[in-house]
Amino acid sequence: GQQLNQSPQSMFIQEGEDVSMNCTSSSIFNTWLWYKQDPGEGPVLLIALYKAGELTSNGRLTAQFGITRKDSFLNISASIPSDVGIYFCAGQGAQKLVFGQGTRLTINP
Amino acid sequence: DAGVTQSPTHLIKTRGQQVTLRCSPKSGHDTVSWYQQALGQGPQFIFQYYEEEERQRGNFPDRFSGHQFPNYSSELNVNALLLGDSALYLCASRYRYNEQYFGPGTRLTVT
Repeated sequence: GQQLNQSPQSMFIQEGEDVSMNCTSSSIFNTWLWYKQDPGEGPVLLIALYKAGELTSNGRLTAQFGITRKDSFLNISASIPSDVGIYFCAGQGAQKLVFGQGTRLTINP
Repeated sequence: DAGVTQSPTHLIKTRGQQVTLRCSPKSGHDTVSWYQQALGQGPQFIFQYYEEEERQRGNFPDRFSGHQFPNYSSELNVNALLLGDSALYLCASRYRYNEQYFGPGTRLTVT
């Protein structure tokens, strides 16, 4: 099925470091979303972006909706142990979400 | 305010059997979507229900069918189960065209 290109696939960082991940698409989306998924759980919505160029923050998380509407990035500042998990970007079409492959974040204390 | 709920949490079925998964949307939401998530992959869209009708369908065979009830809850049915149907099945709900919220999922294992 259709999928977004998300990178990196995995990250191994030290606690306190900043994290950056991005997502690109060959198609335009009018809404971009970022989710976090813990093992055995459903994705939890972190940030939703609705306008091209929009920069939105949620605590230590900051995400931007690319000007071309074909990309988005997510930054996490000053990482803490509970940030561990898999982060997914998703582009929202009229009905469905199209997801990236995920970025697995591992933090060394 | 209850979020999206799904049942059962886990189940194990044999090839060829049929299964029904259930979803109750978040309060105030009227649209339900179903996704299949294979291990190590992002969720893949199966279909969406609004006003008790299937509105859009992903690239899944007719063995996958669904239903939405007047109270907005939904069921996903899978017939003639294959080993490849083993996955986490996620339900997501939203109000009209707003962002989607996911339930905890149902882990289906086909043996």
